[in-house]
Amino acid sequence: SQTIHQWPATLVQPVGSPLSLECTVEGTSNPNLYWYRQAAGRGLQLLFYSVGIGQISSEVPQNLSASRPQDRQFILSSKKLLLSDSGFYLCAWSVIGPPGYTFGSGTRLTVV
Amino acid sequence: AQKITQTQPGMFVQEKEAVTLDCTYDTSDPSYGLFWYKQPSSGEMIFLIYQGSYDQQNATEGRYSLNFQKARKSANLVISASQLGDSAMYFCAMRPNDYKLSFGAGTTVTVRA
Repeated sequence: SQTIHQWPATLVQPVGSPLSLECTVEGTSNPNLYWYRQAAGRGLQLLFYSVGIGQISSEVPQNLSASRPQDRQFILSSKKLLLSDSGFYLCAWSVIGPPGYTFGSGTRLTVV
Repeated sequence: AQKITQTQPGMFVQEKEAVTLDCTYDTSDPSYGLFWYKQPSSGEMIFLIYQGSYDQQNATEGRYSLNFQKARKSANLVISASQLGDSAMYFCAMRPNDYKLSFGAGTTVTVRA
């Protein structure tokens, strides 16, 4: 069965520090992978998506970057965090039809 | 660009009653999928129900049903016989052919005993 792992679950980082969030998928090959961010009490904003190794599309200009070094690995990074980077980050992979996306358990990032 | 609109930021419903969550969308793609997700306070996104744009019948999954009105570009979620565990944030989402899922702003549902 397909599973998606995302870690860490929570993270508190000082302003200006680097960031690395990792997401891995098991049980499927060549998935479409996505990073979303959710501000408190708000909807999900698509940050990046990838249709294959090394292929990254950015949806919004920001302080973050993404990489896909392996087929089932998707990494979200920042060289220097800003306060505005705080939020709930969700990784997901997709199939055609239901359930649409399968989401990871999320990382709650607080930049202090 | 696709746009999903959920006009109800928050709703209260009495236990055992039904509640309807509104969702309208805008797309120029003839083929698309509509989804509803539930997000409890833990943050996980739980898939509830799916409707394809060419599906003739409204989708149903247990206590969840989707009232799909294609001409109105409306995909409202109906939760019947509400339970306390239904208290959560609910998101409507749409995916056209480019595989990118766009979400509405969400509706917070609070079920009262």
